Amino acid sequence: DADVTQTPRNRITKTGKRIMLECSQTKGHDRMYWYRQDPGLGLRLIYYSFDVKDINKGEISDGYSVSRQAQAKFSLSLESAIPNQTALYFCATSGLNTGELFFGEGSRLTVL
Amino acid sequence: GENVEQHPSTLSVQEGDSAVIKCTYSDSASNYFPWYKQELGKRPQLIIDIRSNVGEKKDQRIAVTLNKTAKHFSLHITETQPEDSAVYFCASSPRGGTSYGKLTFGQGTILTVHP
Repeated sequence: DADVTQTPRNRITKTGKRIMLECSQTKGHDRMYWYRQDPGLGLRLIYYSFDVKDINKGEISDGYSVSRQAQAKFSLSLESAIPNQTALYFCATSGLNTGELFFGEGSRLTVL
Repeated sequence: GENVEQHPSTLSVQEGDSAVIKCTYSDSASNYFPWYKQELGKRPQLIIDIRSNVGEKKDQRIAVTLNKTAKHFSLHITETQPEDSAVYFCASSPRGGTSYGKLTFGQGTILTVHP
């Protein structure tokens, strides 16, 4: 089945370290997103990309950067991780003419 | 920007009862309203959505209603079952078309259905 895959699934790191979360998809979608989930806050959009040459900031982009290496790959980087970036991160994709988001399994990041 | 408020934060019902979750939004230009279900340890998945040209949509035991004048929409689950236990998120899109995936989510409702 076509899917959205995230790596790593779990990561523990220390303050100041650089971290990259990777996302790949086999759904053939052009649109890819990174969302962050925190208890009591729902999911918040970090960055999104509508094609390989398109990168846009979302609601909470400070402290994050992204790279769209190919149609199927979208990575999220934390240049210098801090404890309040501890969260569950979801990559998602969507098709052109539908609003449905297809989420990956999530990457749980803990910053000590 | 858009703000979505979701209530209640937790909801506990007996199997067979109905459950209602309500959301309000702030941007009158929003016209796409999906609901996502997230089971424990799993990814969110779309269960139903509604667009602003429709006031109500049903899919078996779940339904969504939309009141654009009041800027609120609700999820209704009838004849609840233990497998309905999950976190439910409402969301809105500021505009349709190219903004579909740029969702603003509510805070989530933890629904527990007791056998």
